[in-house]
Amino acid sequence: GENVEQHPSTLSVQEGDSAVIKCTYSDSASNYFPWYKQELGKGPQLIIDIRSNVGEKKDQRIAVTLNKTAKHFSLHITETQPEDSAVYFCAGHTNAGKSTFGDGTTLTVKP
Amino acid sequence: ETGVTQSPTHLIKTRGQQVTLRCSSQSGHNTVSWYQQALGQGPQFIFQYYREEENGRGNFPPRFSGLQFPNYSSELNVNALELDDSALYLCASSPNVVNTEAFFGQGTRLTVV
Repeated sequence: GENVEQHPSTLSVQEGDSAVIKCTYSDSASNYFPWYKQELGKGPQLIIDIRSNVGEKKDQRIAVTLNKTAKHFSLHITETQPEDSAVYFCAGHTNAGKSTFGDGTTLTVKP
Repeated sequence: ETGVTQSPTHLIKTRGQQVTLRCSSQSGHNTVSWYQQALGQGPQFIFQYYREEENGRGNFPPRFSGLQFPNYSSELNVNALELDDSALYLCASSPNVVNTEAFFGQGTRLTVV
């Protein structure tokens, strides 16, 4: 079955610095790759996504890149702020309705 | 906040009992996916319902079952509860089976004692 590996498991940055989280996937059938932010006591919230026919997507301070050949995708957050502190999950989805999440990255942004 | 509501928010059950968790879907969404999230881990896919039919299933035993209703709300049923079933159960609604534009509920925290 699909396996999604996410690194690092924890990340601490200074406010204003950039943060990068990386994921690799195994199932070639995966064609949709969302990133979610989960705050304590809440469900995951979609922050950005990318489809397999696109290499890069940007939304203000957040960007995602996808290398389909290497089967890896990354989340980039620039100009980090304390409110960016949360757990971030990557995921891979297929048309067959299956979803696989990474184990999460706890991001801490220090003021 | 999303339009996806889960009930109840917290639940304590005894090993061997059965439980039903409920999820409303976002208006305009016809797909609901259920996940189990253990503490400190990512959500694990249980199954997905699309237009009242099971569309995909993860590596969970048959004692995990579900339903989707004509209004696209959904239920997750777990029989013969085990201690390891203690987790946060999340549902996500989406306008399609690939789960684009998915909205998650706040989850149901199930504790099995």
